[in-house]
Amino acid sequence: GQNIDQPTEMTATEGAIVQINCTYQTSGFNGLFWYQQHAGEAPTFLSYNVLDGLEEKGRFSSFLSRSKGYSYLLLKELQMKDSASYLCAVVDSNYQLIWGAGTKLIIKP
Amino acid sequence: GAVVSQHPSWVICKSGTSVKIECRSLDFQATTMFWYRQFPKQSLMLMATSNEGSKATYEQGVEKDKFLINHASLTLSTLTVTSAHPEDSSFYICSAKDRDYEQYFGPGTRLTVT
Repeated sequence: GQNIDQPTEMTATEGAIVQINCTYQTSGFNGLFWYQQHAGEAPTFLSYNVLDGLEEKGRFSSFLSRSKGYSYLLLKELQMKDSASYLCAVVDSNYQLIWGAGTKLIIKP
Repeated sequence: GAVVSQHPSWVICKSGTSVKIECRSLDFQATTMFWYRQFPKQSLMLMATSNEGSKATYEQGVEKDKFLINHASLTLSTLTVTSAHPEDSSFYICSAKDRDYEQYFGPGTRLTVT
């Protein structure tokens, strides 16, 4: 079966750095997305990785290792508004999005 | 660009009635639209995938006769919850994609069935 694992919940301090990991086992791979979802709102796009390596976009970076079936989202200089759920999703061989359950990130002052 | 709208944003209805939710891609043509349901503190659950002009493909466990999906054009898909019951109360989110892989999400519709 297809499976995406990410931690259920993480806590971090304002101003600090946090890394949210995502591991996947899917039938084929055509890219990995990270989405942010605030409570009561729809997900918003953060990043897309299809090649190995690190993609940096402001305070957020996303890393992919296809050989390890592993990705992480790195958030720097955390702000209170970063408190949200972070969803990892993989595009499989049928070009369908397979979703992780999401990681709830709690930022403390 | 790539804006998806949903209407209504929230709706309250009585048990036994039907509710229609619209999903529109405003500035692109969506070859495929997806309907998700999300219960509180849970992740997105894909309900169905629809391609313009063809029947929707429903995920296992989703009743196709209860959740009617119509993808009549490249910019509009509708989800009708028929004979709604309190357990159908949820956050319904649509997304649309064109020829690339990214899904653009609508703002969601919160349905409460009393």
